[in-house]
Amino acid sequence: EAGVTQSPTHLIKTRGQQATLRCSPISGHTSVYWYQQALGLGLQFLLWYDEGEERNRGNFPPRFSGRQFPNYSSELNVNALELEDSALYLCASSLVRGNEQFFGPGTRLTVL
Amino acid sequence: SQQGEEDPQALSIQEGENATMNCSYKTSINNLQWYRQNSGRGLVHLILIRSNEREKHSGRLRVTLDTSKKSSSLLITASRAADTASYFCATEINAGNNRKLIWGLGTSLAVNP
Repeated sequence: EAGVTQSPTHLIKTRGQQATLRCSPISGHTSVYWYQQALGLGLQFLLWYDEGEERNRGNFPPRFSGRQFPNYSSELNVNALELEDSALYLCASSLVRGNEQFFGPGTRLTVL
Repeated sequence: SQQGEEDPQALSIQEGENATMNCSYKTSINNLQWYRQNSGRGLVHLILIRSNEREKHSGRLRVTLDTSKKSSSLLITASRAADTASYFCATEINAGNNRKLIWGLGTSLAVNP
């Protein structure tokens, strides 16, 4: 069974540009989570999607947005990129409440 | 301080020794999960322990949960060089009608051959 996949692996952008990160959950998982892992700050929760709807949102500005498609894959969009957006962005999927989250390998975003 | 604080921040041991990492939290939880991350890559789920459980085992891993002290520990026995990684605890809490997973900063474990 394929795990959570993310693309691209690496992404290099310049300040002010927009970035789109993609995630495909494990087959059958309906929940997708996005996290930002910046150096020294640990994992920060970004967004949670379930059944196509945004269920919860972390303390991030509105330029961080996303969506979940009918096939449960998800996109994370970051507009007006800033240098401090440079981080590893991790996507996870899960089945139902209380189940463990399965993580993808992440997308490393570098903003120059 | 934040929910889900790991202690110590870093740990260096010799192969064969046991490694113990602790996680403390502040609010009531649904469950607590431990994850491992190798070299800035994706996280791997290790163990989930529910709030009504006190201890769980998985291979060389042993997790305990003390809800009265709001703390958990992860014990890795007979460590190997391949156990070198960062270990994170995450607590699931209720946030209104939703649930939230809150992460600590992690413990960096180095197992020296």
